[in-house]
Amino acid sequence: AQSVTQPDIHITVSEGASLELRCNYSYGATPYLFWYVQSPGQGLQLLLKYFSGDTLVQGIKGFEAEFKRSQSSFNLRKPSVHWSDAAEYFCAVGARGGGFKTIFGAGTRLFVKA
Amino acid sequence: AAGVIQSPRHLIKEKRETATLKCYPIPRHDTVYWYQQGPGQDPQFLISFYEKMQSDKGSIPDRFSAQQFSDYHSELNMSSLELGDSALYFCASSLKDFGNTIYFGEGSWLTVV
Repeated sequence: AQSVTQPDIHITVSEGASLELRCNYSYGATPYLFWYVQSPGQGLQLLLKYFSGDTLVQGIKGFEAEFKRSQSSFNLRKPSVHWSDAAEYFCAVGARGGGFKTIFGAGTRLFVKA
Repeated sequence: AAGVIQSPRHLIKEKRETATLKCYPIPRHDTVYWYQQGPGQDPQFLISFYEKMQSDKGSIPDRFSAQQFSDYHSELNMSSLELGDSALYFCASSLKDFGNTIYFGEGSWLTVV
């Protein structure tokens, strides 16, 4: 069965520091991978996605993610975090199961300190 | 650009009442998804529709039903509401090809008291 694991429930980084959010997936075929961000009380906004091709994917707001098949990982990175990046981040895998659906990880809450 | 529109944004119902949430997908999108996100939880897939037919079913309770109409909008009907149904309900839409990105609405907050 498809699954997504985000090992870190929450992470705190200083403003201006680099960030890496971890994501591991379990899927029998080549996965379609996504990172979404959710601010408190808000909807889910797509940061970036990986379908095929270049394993390093650029997204919005200065985020990038790297697909590593050998490690079944799709970690999200940002070189310099801004206070406005504080939010919940969800990794997700597109799964086929009689139709189309997206399976989400449990999320990682990012706190940014001044 | 047009996004996924959900209504109402906020809804308060009493136990055992019925609630209906509406979703208007991005124009030309033919697939609609419903997700439920409880407090502090990740979104859980409920059900999806492609071209007005149910395409997949997740953890949707039997008390809930949904459909997609000819104009591609979708409605989620929830009956015999329970306190545990209090959650943020997301609708999302995409084009039919698997792997195409799904775009989420802002969500509908349902509070059951």
